[in-house]
Amino acid sequence: AQSVTQPDIHITVSEGASLELRCNYSYGATPYLFWYVQSPGQGLQLLLKYFSGDTLVQGIKGFEAEFKRSQSSFNLRKPSVHWSDAAEYFCAVDAGDNYGQNFVFGPGTRLSVLP
Amino acid sequence: EAGVTQFPSHSVIEKGQTVTLRCDPISGHDNLYWYRRVMGKEIKFLLHFVKESKQDESGMPNNRFLAERTGGTYSTLKVQPAELEDSGVYFCASSQEGTGWETQYFGPGTRLLVL
Repeated sequence: AQSVTQPDIHITVSEGASLELRCNYSYGATPYLFWYVQSPGQGLQLLLKYFSGDTLVQGIKGFEAEFKRSQSSFNLRKPSVHWSDAAEYFCAVDAGDNYGQNFVFGPGTRLSVLP
Repeated sequence: EAGVTQFPSHSVIEKGQTVTLRCDPISGHDNLYWYRRVMGKEIKFLLHFVKESKQDESGMPNNRFLAERTGGTYSTLKVQPAELEDSGVYFCASSQEGTGWETQYFGPGTRLLVL
């Protein structure tokens, strides 16, 4: 069965510092990978997704992620964190067949940003 | 364009009572999904509708949960009778019908507390 791990439950960074959130997955086939963010009181917002092609994916809000097949990883990065980035971040793998689609989510990483 | 909406935003009920959650997907989206996040755990897939048909309900925890999507528009998720372990956040998502792997857009969630 597919699984997703996010080793860091909580990360604190200073505003302006760089950020990397880790995501590792276990999946038998070519994965479809996603990063979502949930700000307080909000729904899950898609940051970026990887289906195929270029392994470095650009997303919204200045985020990017790199797919590394050899490491089964899809880490999320941002060069300079803003206070508004404080939220919970979820990595997800698509677990559906070619018609249905449902996600296996990681446990989430909560990001705190210091002024 | 309105996003995915969910009602209510919060619900507090007693064990044994019934609660019905509602999800209005983005207009024109044939795919509708329910997920839930039990306290401290991962976000888990519950089920997937394509229009009014249940495409995949493998994530439904037991027969106390009943999801419907009459007419292929909004969906309801009823929990009857509610148990303490049902407490958590219930998310709804929708996506367009297409070739698959369409982006899922999530609602803000309904926070359910069973006392």
